[in-house]
Amino acid sequence: AQKVTQAQTEISVVEKEDVTLDCVYETRDTTYYLFWYKQPPSGELVFLIRRNSFDEQNEISGRYSWNFQKSTSSFNFTITASQVVDSAVYFCALSEVEEYGNKLVFGAGTILRVKS
Amino acid sequence: DAGVTQSPTHLIKTRGQQVTLRCSPKSGHDTVSWYQQALGQGPQFIFQYYEEEERQRGNFPDRFSGHQFPNYSSELNVNALLLGDSALYLCASSRRSTEAFFGHGTRLTVV
Repeated sequence: AQKVTQAQTEISVVEKEDVTLDCVYETRDTTYYLFWYKQPPSGELVFLIRRNSFDEQNEISGRYSWNFQKSTSSFNFTITASQVVDSAVYFCALSEVEEYGNKLVFGAGTILRVKS
Repeated sequence: DAGVTQSPTHLIKTRGQQVTLRCSPKSGHDTVSWYQQALGQGPQFIFQYYEEEERQRGNFPDRFSGHQFPNYSSELNVNALLLGDSALYLCASSRRSTEAFFGHGTRLTVV
């Protein structure tokens, strides 16, 4: 069975600090996808990134970066120079590679509070 | 270009009643999935529709059913509502197995 663990329930930082959100996953599949979503108070899940299990290259997008390590089954997310607008709940998710669409298995989420 | 739209935004129902939630996918998307998110938890997969058929299903009872229409829009029906069905119901759309985009959700409260 697939499982995603986000051990950090809540993180508080001061603006401009860097913050890393941890994600550890379990799967028996050799091919899978990993995702990060952001959920602001409005409730909508905002897609941030999808990573294929074959691609272990780290990725950077502006202030966001992701570190994928298959050896430790981790897919961590770092926000550099955090801003108040980054305050939200962040979810890591995992899915098999399916023909029709991704069936996402989510972690419990990490609440990020960025204070000014 | 409209994203994923869901209606209604909020809903209050009584135990035992039935409810129908609606979802219109993002333009160009043909696959719709539904998720239930209880307060303080991550979303849980309910089921997924493609070409008007249920393709995958999560661990939810038969009280949860759905439908997809020829225009790709979808409905989620829940019968015999329980207090535990109170949650945010999220619809996600994608084009086959590309990344999923989510709507704002429907907040269902069962009293």
